[in-house]
Amino acid sequence: DGGITQSPKYLFRKEGQNVTLSCEQNLNHDAMYWYRQDPGQGLRLIYYSQIVNDFQKGDIAEGYSVSREKKESFPLTVTSAQKNPTAFYLCASSPGLAAISETQYFGPGTRLLVL
Amino acid sequence: AQKVTQAQTEISVVEKEDVTLDCVYETRDTTYYLFWYKQPPSGELVFLIRRNSFDEQNEISGRYSWNFQKSTSSFNFTITASQVVDSAVYFCALSERSGGGADGLTFGKGTHLIIQP
Repeated sequence: DGGITQSPKYLFRKEGQNVTLSCEQNLNHDAMYWYRQDPGQGLRLIYYSQIVNDFQKGDIAEGYSVSREKKESFPLTVTSAQKNPTAFYLCASSPGLAAISETQYFGPGTRLLVL
Repeated sequence: AQKVTQAQTEISVVEKEDVTLDCVYETRDTTYYLFWYKQPPSGELVFLIRRNSFDEQNEISGRYSWNFQKSTSSFNFTITASQVVDSAVYFCALSERSGGGADGLTFGKGTHLIIQP
């Protein structure tokens, strides 16, 4: 089945630790995105990538890093610089090069909790 | 200023009632796109509809319908004869080019819809 997978479903982070969230898609989409969702809030854009080896900061990129070495994969690292990382993280992809007309399709999400 | 406003934080209705979820947006662009997504308790966002700024025709898909009015900058979503399975958080989102922002979606805060049996 075509789709977007995210792992793990739940992730626990200790203070000062970097953690990496996985996002893989087999839809052959060019663009991929990472969003953060806090309780009772909408989604906010962290990073996005239009093409392999290129990515752009979103509205809340501080404390996060990404890579795009393969078209299918767009992992997100939550660094120790992110002081409030507890949130629900959603990965998305869209067929074209992040044009405003593109529909974004979402993965099942990863819930990150701080110990 | 909030670009997408969903003023209804939570709505609770009894099954089979009709319910309308409001969405008001703000943009300076003449070309933009509006979306609705459903987020069931599992967490994954499910795409429902995309509408461009040049198409003000209302759309109906089964029990779902959407009313787009540029004059009031609104893109409201109506569920007819609601069912318990419709219970979810619904998000309205805007895609635009102005403001120099990233090429992502701007989401409202969502409306939590509860359908009681």
